[in-house]
Amino acid sequence: SAVISQKPSRDICQRGTSLTIQCQVDSQVTMMFWYRQQPGQSLTLIATANQGSEATYESGFVIDKFPISRPNLTFSTLTVSNMSPEDSSIYLCSVAGVQGKNTEAFFGQGTRLTVV
Amino acid sequence: AQSVTQPDIHITVSEGASLELRCNYSYGATPYLFWYVQSPGQGLQLLLKYFSGDTLVQGIKGFEAEFKRSQSSFNLRKPSVHWSDAAEYFCAVGINNNDMRFGAGTRLTVKP
Repeated sequence: SAVISQKPSRDICQRGTSLTIQCQVDSQVTMMFWYRQQPGQSLTLIATANQGSEATYESGFVIDKFPISRPNLTFSTLTVSNMSPEDSSIYLCSVAGVQGKNTEAFFGQGTRLTVV
Repeated sequence: AQSVTQPDIHITVSEGASLELRCNYSYGATPYLFWYVQSPGQGLQLLLKYFSGDTLVQGIKGFEAEFKRSQSSFNLRKPSVHWSDAAEYFCAVGINNNDMRFGAGTRLTVKP
């Protein structure tokens, strides 16, 4: 399995500001993903974080709004830029391919973001 | 495109009763299938997964699920529900765990 540390666990931010969320895994993983879970909703994939290259974004999500970094096999960040109240959600980091093996996806505890 | 449907938004069962949560998927090939549980304020925990082989999959906490190709279904079952099972349950489909698609979720309430 993989232990995922996601920071911060929660934050309240002013509209127009940006927040960077960190995801640290205790072992090397092949895949890292970022999901959004809006209040009372299911999970929606934002993007796949690619090591050493630009992230792959899903329809409806763009790099300018959600820049992602993945400098190595154990760490990634998601930035929520120019926030508005509509960005209030839980943001979850997910990993798969622990130590190169075909494994199920593991999830962090999430970052609960409230934009005021 | 892959999609996952959980027809039941909210289910209420009595403690000790049996449970079945429905999940249907749409995909051209046999996908990898998962059930996750999310307790209030908690992250997602994997209950069970189906990659291949035996279509009846055993998971943690006494849950099982059966993959039925002919019905494109992967329903989750438990013979006797405990109060601690109250949570949100998500069915998900993916290929090699990449590009996972989640259902809308089913909220389970357990009555004493």
